[in-house]
Amino acid sequence: EDQVTQSPEALRLQEGESSSLNCSYTVSGLRGLFWYRQDPGKGPEFLFTLYSAGEEKEKERLKATLTKKESFLHITAPKPEDSATYLCAVQAWVNQAGTALIFGKGTTLSVSS
Amino acid sequence: GAVVSQHPSWVICKSGTSVKIECRSLDFQATTMFWYRQFPKQSLMLMATSNEGSKATYEQGVEKDKFLINHASLTLSTLTVTSAHPEDSSFYICSARGPGTGALTDTQYFGPGTRLTVL
Repeated sequence: EDQVTQSPEALRLQEGESSSLNCSYTVSGLRGLFWYRQDPGKGPEFLFTLYSAGEEKEKERLKATLTKKESFLHITAPKPEDSATYLCAVQAWVNQAGTALIFGKGTTLSVSS
Repeated sequence: GAVVSQHPSWVICKSGTSVKIECRSLDFQATTMFWYRQFPKQSLMLMATSNEGSKATYEQGVEKDKFLINHASLTLSTLTVTSAHPEDSSFYICSARGPGTGALTDTQYFGPGTRLTVL
């Protein structure tokens, strides 16, 4: 069964304190791993897509990496505005409709100044 | 680019009434649209997948007759919650995916969500 597990569930950091979020997955035939940011009461905002092991992508203070079993979202010198829930999802085949995203439960990041 | 809008952003209705939520892709053609619901402090749960011009494919446990989905054009999908009850109260989010190849066809872009409260 396709599954996505994110850890930790919640993470509290001081401003400037770098850390990493983990996303481990089991999926038959990975067709993309996605990272989204979601603020309370809003829809997810697309951050990155990773397709193959060894791939890395960066955006401001965020860097996403991918191995065959997991992905990491590294946050360097975070600021309070980075506080949000970060969602990881993998693309898998569902029914006859094609592919869809399977989401993890997310990591809620709080950055205090 | 890749902007998805939803309307309304929130709605309050009486039990037994029907509510329609619109999802639009503003700057790209969405051959596939998805509808999710999200309960507080939980992740997104896929309700259904719809391809333009075809009937929606519903996930197991989602009532087709209660959650009517129409994807009549490449930029518009609607979700109608029929005979809504308090247990249908939730955050409904749509997403859209484009045609062709590359990132646009794989990446889902999400709308801002619709908060439904059924009294």
